[in-house]
Amino acid sequence: AQSVTQLGSHVSVSEGALVLLRCNYSSSVPPYLFWYVQYPNQGLQLLLKYTTGATLVKGINGFEAEFKKSETSFHLTKPSAHMSDAAEYFCAVNPRGNAGNMLTFGGGTRLMVKP
Amino acid sequence: EAGVAQSPRYKIIEKRQSVAFWCNPISGHATLYWYQQILGQGPKLLIQFQNNGVVDDSQLPKDRFSAERLKGVDSTLKIQPAKLEDSAVYLCASSPPGGSGNTIYFGEGSWLTVV
Repeated sequence: AQSVTQLGSHVSVSEGALVLLRCNYSSSVPPYLFWYVQYPNQGLQLLLKYTTGATLVKGINGFEAEFKKSETSFHLTKPSAHMSDAAEYFCAVNPRGNAGNMLTFGGGTRLMVKP
Repeated sequence: EAGVAQSPRYKIIEKRQSVAFWCNPISGHATLYWYQQILGQGPKLLIQFQNNGVVDDSQLPKDRFSAERLKGVDSTLKIQPAKLEDSAVYLCASSPPGGSGNTIYFGEGSWLTVV
């Protein structure tokens, strides 16, 4: 079964600093990879996803993630944090060839941005 | 384009009572999901429908949870009788036809508190 590990349940950065949220998956075949963001009292919004092709994926709000097969990782980054980035971030995987199209989520990382 | 609609947004019930949540997916989306998100955790899939057939309900506590998707559009998730540990956000999501890798779109969630 697929599993997703997000290192660090809480990450705190200063406004303007680099954001790095870590995600590792366990699978012999690289799955489809997703990052979702959840603002307080809201549902999940897709930030970006990797399906095929270029391993550096750009998403909304200035976020990007790089798929590294050798490290089984899909870390999320943003060069300069903004106060509005404070939210919960979830990494998720979907096995390739899975006709059911089901996501398995990591435990989430809460990002706090200090002024 | 309208997103995934859910109601009610908030519900407080006593244990052993029943509750029902309603979901209307994005128009044209054949696949509908119900996820349970307990505070501080990532969402966990409860049930997945393809049109009005069940694809996966392996993690649905069938002794108390039930879900249906009549006519392949709207869906209802019911809990009866509720337990304290059912306090969570119930997220409905939908995705367009196709296999794994398609983006899954989430509603804002129905927040359940069982007291």
